[in-house]
Amino acid sequence: GAVVSQHPSWVICKSGTSVKIECRSLDFQATTMFWYRQFPKQSLMLMATSNEGSKATYEQGVEKDKFLINHASLTLSTLTVTSAHPEDSSFYICSAPLSRRYNEQFFGPGTRLTVL
Amino acid sequence: DAKTTQPTSMDCAEGRAANLPCNHSTISGNEYVYWYRQIHSQGPQYIIHGLKNNETNEMASLIITEDRKSSTLILPHATLRDTAVYYCIVRGAGGYQKVTFGIGTKLQVIP
Repeated sequence: GAVVSQHPSWVICKSGTSVKIECRSLDFQATTMFWYRQFPKQSLMLMATSNEGSKATYEQGVEKDKFLINHASLTLSTLTVTSAHPEDSSFYICSAPLSRRYNEQFFGPGTRLTVL
Repeated sequence: DAKTTQPTSMDCAEGRAANLPCNHSTISGNEYVYWYRQIHSQGPQYIIHGLKNNETNEMASLIITEDRKSSTLILPHATLRDTAVYYCIVRGAGGYQKVTFGIGTKLQVIP
């Protein structure tokens, strides 16, 4: 089956630093990827849609200058949390649709971000 | 996307069938019913989807009512590894549709 990976699986950083999270589709190409955020005991919340070769589309209330998304290739999207603060601590998950499987979404394993 | 309503939590004895209900009374004709689950601290996992006919795969069965306003996900023989949050989602299948998650049902499989 299709596999989506994320790196790193967890990261701890100091307040004010930037953190980059990678999302890769391992055995298929994805012109579109999605980024979600999940706080403890809450559901996943869509942050943005990442589009290869063009600007990302952000959901209402998500700061595009704080959460930088770059979809540089058909298998890689990155999310950079700039000037991270403790309230950015969360579980970040990406997904990619597989066109040969009815555009079924395959999710990455998630990245746990803790900002001290 | 149509909204869905699920019970917040359910328990199921190990080895028994787990039946998870979902109401989607505002579903439109071209929207599919999808089920995902999320085991603690992992990314969501696709389980099954259907339009109007009942569906079965190696993981589960999906029963959709004739009026399509509700559905039931059936895990035929629940194991402890099936303990997870189960999300019922209604959306179109065409294009790169984003998935909007609700609160889901927390299924606890009890030994």
